[in-house]
Amino acid sequence: DAGVIQSPRHEVTEMGQEVTLRCKPISGHNSLFWYRQTMMRGLELLIYFNNNVPIDDSGMPEDRFSAKMPNASFSTLKIQPSEPRDSAVYFCASSPGTGDGYTFGSGTRLTVV
Amino acid sequence: SQQGEEDPQALSIQEGENATMNCSYKTSINNLQWYRQNSGRGLVHLILIRSNEREKHSGRLRVTLDTSKKSSSLLITASRAADTASYFCATDAADSSYKLIFGSGTRLLVRP
Repeated sequence: DAGVIQSPRHEVTEMGQEVTLRCKPISGHNSLFWYRQTMMRGLELLIYFNNNVPIDDSGMPEDRFSAKMPNASFSTLKIQPSEPRDSAVYFCASSPGTGDGYTFGSGTRLTVV
Repeated sequence: SQQGEEDPQALSIQEGENATMNCSYKTSINNLQWYRQNSGRGLVHLILIRSNEREKHSGRLRVTLDTSKKSSSLLITASRAADTASYFCATDAADSSYKLIFGSGTRLLVRP
């Protein structure tokens, strides 16, 4: 198994542009999570899905952020429009089910200039 | 909001020594997990301890859980330079939300 795959690894974009981050979870994992990591705020849970359905999006900072999971093997996190304060490392993680350990992807380092 | 808080924030030890990191949390939990993050990488799951367990071992790792004190500790024995990383505890709250909330982490430096 190739693990959780995220793309791109690095993204540099200008303020106001749309950014789309992608994630392919491990096959058979029912839960998918998006986290954001910064020096100031640490690891923040943005949203998580169970069986492709968004369960809790209370961590999504504002309406500029949206996430989708159209099928069990793909999820996207979109920021539109992007702002410099969105600069962070965004991680996707998946787990077999509730109460299990997570497998994290390598992350996408986003820089908004 | 962060559920778990690690202590110390940073730890520097000599290779071969033991490293102990502590985690405190606020609410009742289903389980508590420890993760390692090497610089510039994703997090790696180390060990999971359930709320009805008090101690768990995995190789050189030993985790304890005290639910009455809402605290956990991670012990790495006979540390190696390769253990240099940040270590995070994460709690799965017992409110049926089934989401992990991470602490701020302990940065461990193992000097060769």
